[in-house]
Amino acid sequence: AQKITQTQPGMFVQEKEAVTLDCTYDTSDPSYGLFWYKQPSSGEMIFLIYQGSYDQQNATEGRYSLNFQKARKSANLVISASQLGDSAMYFCAMRESTAGNNRKLIWGLGTSLAVNP
Amino acid sequence: NAGVTQTPKFQVLKTGQSMTLQCAQDMNHEYMSWYRQDPGMGLRLIHYSVGAGITDQGEVPNGYNVSRSTTEDFPLRLLSAAPSQTSVYFCASYPTGSGNTIYFGEGSWLTVV
Repeated sequence: AQKITQTQPGMFVQEKEAVTLDCTYDTSDPSYGLFWYKQPSSGEMIFLIYQGSYDQQNATEGRYSLNFQKARKSANLVISASQLGDSAMYFCAMRESTAGNNRKLIWGLGTSLAVNP
Repeated sequence: NAGVTQTPKFQVLKTGQSMTLQCAQDMNHEYMSWYRQDPGMGLRLIHYSVGAGITDQGEVPNGYNVSRSTTEDFPLRLLSAAPSQTSVYFCASYPTGSGNTIYFGEGSWLTVV
């Protein structure tokens, strides 16, 4: 069965340091996409970064990068130079590209990140 | 560019009451879905739709109904509210093509007393 695992319920990082949030996934579909979303205390879901299973390069978006290790089925989010505003819940999700239009998203339980000044 | 509009943002219901959470998107997306988010449970799929006239159940559909009469709208109905349905609800949409962005509504905080 398809699954997303985020093993870190909570993480602390010092301001200006880098932090890695773990995400492993399980799928038998060769074509899939991996997402990271940020949810601050205000509740909205903010898209951070996307990695396609066939993408040759690791995705990067500003201070966010995705450490994609396909053989290990991991898609860890790296936040460089942490800022106080990075304190939030972070969710990893996977979307499979199965035949037809049924492309449901599967979500991890999230990691709560606290950035200390 | 309105994106996904979700209403109401906050609602308090009494047990047994019914209500409808509205979701509308203006991006002509085929795929729309409803999630509920509870502490420690992540996002759980309630119902989804891959196009007008087509809906299907997610992992936690009991107590909820949906319909998709137009591409734009995907309302979620609570038939007889129960305290277990106290949650935050999110509507999301995305195209079924190769697009890699999922659009979320701002969330609806529902309390059933």
